[in-house]
Amino acid sequence: QVQLVQSGAEVKKPGASVKVSCKASGYTFSTYAFSWVRQAPGQGLEWMGWIGVYNGITNYAQHLQGRVTMTTDTSTSTAYMELRSLRSNDTAVYYCARDSGKFDYWGQGTLVTVSS
Amino acid sequence: DIQMTQSPSSLSASVGDRVTLTCRASQSISSYLNWYQQKPGKAPRLLIYAASTLQSGVPSRFSGSESGTEFTLTISSLQPEDFATYYCQQSYITPRTFGQGTKVEIK
Repeated sequence: QVQLVQSGAEVKKPGASVKVSCKASGYTFSTYAFSWVRQAPGQGLEWMGWIGVYNGITNYAQHLQGRVTMTTDTSTSTAYMELRSLRSNDTAVYYCARDSGKFDYWGQGTLVTVSS
Repeated sequence: DIQMTQSPSSLSASVGDRVTLTCRASQSISSYLNWYQQKPGKAPRLLIYAASTLQSGVPSRFSGSESGTEFTLTISSLQPEDFATYYCQQSYITPRTFGQGTKVEIK
């Protein structure tokens, strides 16, 4: 069965970086893209960007351009999302999702807390 | 960016009620519209994709429809496990924007 398992919760200081991983299993990793979605406390869902595993093409939300990098490692079937220059309003649960136009499988979420 | 507007933002309903949630796109998105259900502390779950196709394993009481840029999610007979927040999302173009959500609460 398809599973996406994310790395554990992180606490970071403002200005630091965080890298969240998402390990996939149960399907051929290279045949799907990934999207990353975040959810601030008590708020809705925000799409952060997309990466095509087969060709490495990325597409980031404009307001995150320059701070976010999405990558994949086909040898370990893992997707990564790195966010730099963290601010307090980056505090959120970060989700990876398998993307085929629809997000049919999601990771369990990773809480990233940015606090001094 | 395409704006997705959901209405209402919340509603109270009883078990057995028929419930209709609406999502309007700011421009044409063809049928590239997905619906998700999210319960507190959990990841979203895909219910409907391509406006009206039921995701595998989702109960048939959920259905989706479209009329132009207006999309609806209908729950034919609300069950206790359906109390949650529902989000629409367009997958026509990036950024893949979500609506702000509709919270379905117990009356």
